[in-house]
Amino acid sequence: QPVLTQSSSASASLGSSVKLTCTLSSGHSSSIIAWHQQQPGKAPRYLMKLEGSGSYNKGSGVPDRFSGSRSGADRYLTISNLQSEDEADYYCETWDSNTRVFGGGTKLTVL
Amino acid sequence: EVQLLESGGGLVQPGGSLRLSCAASGFTFSSYAMSWVRQAPGKGLEWVSGVSGTGSNTYYADSVKGRFTISRDNSKNTLFLQMNSLRAEDTAVYYCAKQIAAACTDYWGQGTLVTVSS
Repeated sequence: QPVLTQSSSASASLGSSVKLTCTLSSGHSSSIIAWHQQQPGKAPRYLMKLEGSGSYNKGSGVPDRFSGSRSGADRYLTISNLQSEDEADYYCETWDSNTRVFGGGTKLTVL
Repeated sequence: EVQLLESGGGLVQPGGSLRLSCAASGFTFSSYAMSWVRQAPGKGLEWVSGVSGTGSNTYYADSVKGRFTISRDNSKNTLFLQMNSLRAEDTAVYYCAKQIAAACTDYWGQGTLVTVSS
């Protein structure tokens, strides 16, 4: 079963960029993941699916400021031109044949 | 527009039972795998259970195996979660989630709160 590791918190200034990391466990470095955003008090929202190649497909209505990339077992979510509404928890997700796994989430603070 | 609307949450005593429902619309329900994902107060997301589009294949997290049962009624576009032998640690908001072709989650419901307490 894959394990996803995320930093518990991150912070960046309004208008700047931030890169959040999700690391796949050994033996799963080529896995596809998804990124989700959860604003305070709201349900999660799908942002994108990030392929093992590093290409990504975003959900409907997700701003161009959000992009994905990869390096080895690390999967990244980059948010450019940070806005106040980007302050949220960000979760990565992966799956195998009969289970689904979420990372512990990163709480992003916009300063 | 895809919509997932959960219902059935509430307060239940330890050892009790509850049945959650998720009414789906805006897509061909029977073509997609679905899951239940929960979030305990102040905690992260935890996958609970999943079911294939036909309903013939079901999957469970170890924490709920033998106590929870996932099912679906494709004629009514509805997903269910029967929860038995509930424990305090099952207290959480339960989300209904749609999968892309048995891959990642692409839509979430608004959630329903289950509180297990005496």
